[in-house]
Amino acid sequence: EVQLVQSGAEVKKPGESLKISCKGAGYSFNSYWIGWVRQMPGKGLEWMGIIYPYDSDTKYSPSFQGQVTISADKSISTAYLQWSSLKASDTAIYYCVRYLGAHKVFDFWGQGALVTVSS
Amino acid sequence: QSALTQPPSASGSPGQSVTISCTGTSSDVGGYNYVSWYQQHPGKAPKLMIYEVSKRPSGVPDRFSGSKSGNTASLTVSGLQAEDEADYYCNSYAGSNNVIFGGGTKLTVL
Repeated sequence: EVQLVQSGAEVKKPGESLKISCKGAGYSFNSYWIGWVRQMPGKGLEWMGIIYPYDSDTKYSPSFQGQVTISADKSISTAYLQWSSLKASDTAIYYCVRYLGAHKVFDFWGQGALVTVSS
Repeated sequence: QSALTQPPSASGSPGQSVTISCTGTSSDVGGYNYVSWYQQHPGKAPKLMIYEVSKRPSGVPDRFSGSKSGNTASLTVSGLQAEDEADYYCNSYAGSNNVIFGGGTKLTVL
């Protein structure tokens, strides 16, 4: 059974750094793109970017390029989403997703991680 | 790039059919047969319902169907059931390893 298990909720102050994680299980982690989707409070879904763990090839949405860093550690089947300086507008739920490149579809979703940025 | 356009809300009575539209451009919906639909219940993660315009993943009831005409894709839910009440999001490939979502439609079962 494919599972994407995300790290827990975070509460941070503006300007702080943060790295959240997503561990894949039940499939060959290295062989599938894995990505991140943002959902701001009461709003819709926004694609942020994807990474191919085998060679760390990374693609970012133009809206998120330079704002976040996506990485992966294939030795522990874990992907990461990182901020160097959080803003209040980064408050959202972040979902990790498995992306099937051949079909351009997000077929499995993590449970989501709520990030709250407040002074 | 702008989000795909979906109606904010849709509704139907149990047993009826409802169709949700998703309008883009020739650079996304109209240019590729890579439209997918996701269902999200309150407080839950989204779930894939339709991919490549009209294909259903294993386990998704055949009451859910998808289609496309020009720059507009559609999701039809037939034989509405109470558990179909949720938010629905479309998504399309937009070239250059880019994908975009629609703004979402809240489906209410009356």
